[in-house]
Amino acid sequence: AQSVAQPEDQVNVAEGNPLTVKCTYSVSGNPYLFWYVQYPNRGLQFLLKYITGDNLVKGSYGFEAEFNKSQTSFHLKKPSALVSDSALYFCAVRDMSLGQAGTALIFGKGTTLSVSS
Amino acid sequence: DSGVTQTPKHLITATGQRVTLRCSPRSGDLSVYWYQQSLDQGLQFLIQYYNGEERAKGNILERFSAQQFPDLHSELNLSSLELGDSALYFCASSVAPGNTIYFGEGSWLTVV
Repeated sequence: AQSVAQPEDQVNVAEGNPLTVKCTYSVSGNPYLFWYVQYPNRGLQFLLKYITGDNLVKGSYGFEAEFNKSQTSFHLKKPSALVSDSALYFCAVRDMSLGQAGTALIFGKGTTLSVSS
Repeated sequence: DSGVTQTPKHLITATGQRVTLRCSPRSGDLSVYWYQQSLDQGLQFLIQYYNGEERAKGNILERFSAQQFPDLHSELNLSSLELGDSALYFCASSVAPGNTIYFGEGSWLTVV
């Protein structure tokens, strides 16, 4: 079965420090991977995606993610965290079981990022 | 602002009732998705439409149904509501299947 795992419910970092939010996946074939962020009482905002190509993907708000095929991971990173980065982060993978016609995403449980000043 | 519009933002209704959630996709997007977000189940895919046709079904209950109209807006109908249906319901859209999916801000449903 295809799945996405976010092993940490919460990540705490100090402002100015680098941050990493972890994600591992299990899919058949080549994965299409995504990161979204959800601020309180808001919808999900798209951050970045990996389809193919360079393993380091750059996205919105200074975030980037590194695709590692051998470790089946797609960790989200940022060199210097801001207090305003505090939010709920979701990793997602395209559900390949739906075939070409269906392209919905399977989401992880989410990781709460808390950045302290 | 993603460009995906959902109404109503908040809805409180009683058990056994029926509600309709409405979604307008981003301009130019042909594919619409519905998701349910709850504390115990997380984000669950319900159903996908593309240009008016159903493309994929996820964990959608038989009491729930959806459709996409010729103007591309979509509606999610929830009937015989139960307490456990209380959740945040998201609509999302993309230009076509396979493109980046953009989410609306959701409709909060509370069943009492």
